[in-house]
Amino acid sequence: SQELEQSPQSLIVQEGKNLTINCTSSKTLYGLYWYKQKYGEGLIFLMMLQKGGEEKSHEKITAKLDEKKQQSSLHITASQPSHAGIYLCGADFGGGSNYKLTFGKGTLLTVNP
Amino acid sequence: GAVVSQHPSWVICKSGTSVKIECRSLDFQATTMFWYRQFPKQSLMLMATSNEGSKATYEQGVEKDKFLINHASLTLSTLTVTSAHPEDSSFYICSARSINGNSPLHFGNGTRLTVT
Repeated sequence: SQELEQSPQSLIVQEGKNLTINCTSSKTLYGLYWYKQKYGEGLIFLMMLQKGGEEKSHEKITAKLDEKKQQSSLHITASQPSHAGIYLCGADFGGGSNYKLTFGKGTLLTVNP
Repeated sequence: GAVVSQHPSWVICKSGTSVKIECRSLDFQATTMFWYRQFPKQSLMLMATSNEGSKATYEQGVEKDKFLINHASLTLSTLTVTSAHPEDSSFYICSARSINGNSPLHFGNGTRLTVT
């Protein structure tokens, strides 16, 4: 079974609407990372969460990690067409200095003008 | 911000030939780089962890002799797909993490490999 579940798989919203993407882990996380990807391109780093209950914001995007460090959400306020893309959460399960990330399947976001 | 450069961005090769993909950290040193593979509409699958000055660590199911990884310096790792076949066609992405402090992984822009 997938260690990291992302939901929804895809999302279509009208410009200006708020939206939330969720990422749930089957194991406790040492760190949770959010990235954005345009199809056929690399990943753009958005935010890194490491502490239980942590919340970070950048422009109109807010990411939270729950107290148990098993679930994270990414919230976009007043979405714009520029927010469209694939959002991926990546989990650090190991906690070591040589960590690797396991990724969820991604959420494809479409923002209609 | 940290920049990872991947080259080439796309390549087309014939079956049986080998292709080399380079991954460079431009403004930071990276003792560890990671190579991922991504199939259409799917997530990233970790292929191997590349460590500077030592052998790469491959994930289960990834053929070491097929995907040769060399991490020659703190800023360069290469992935060579040997004797490529059409099923090797995919999107390959590298990532690197700075040796300084607690920093996230930064990704290259990927390489689209098509084997004909």
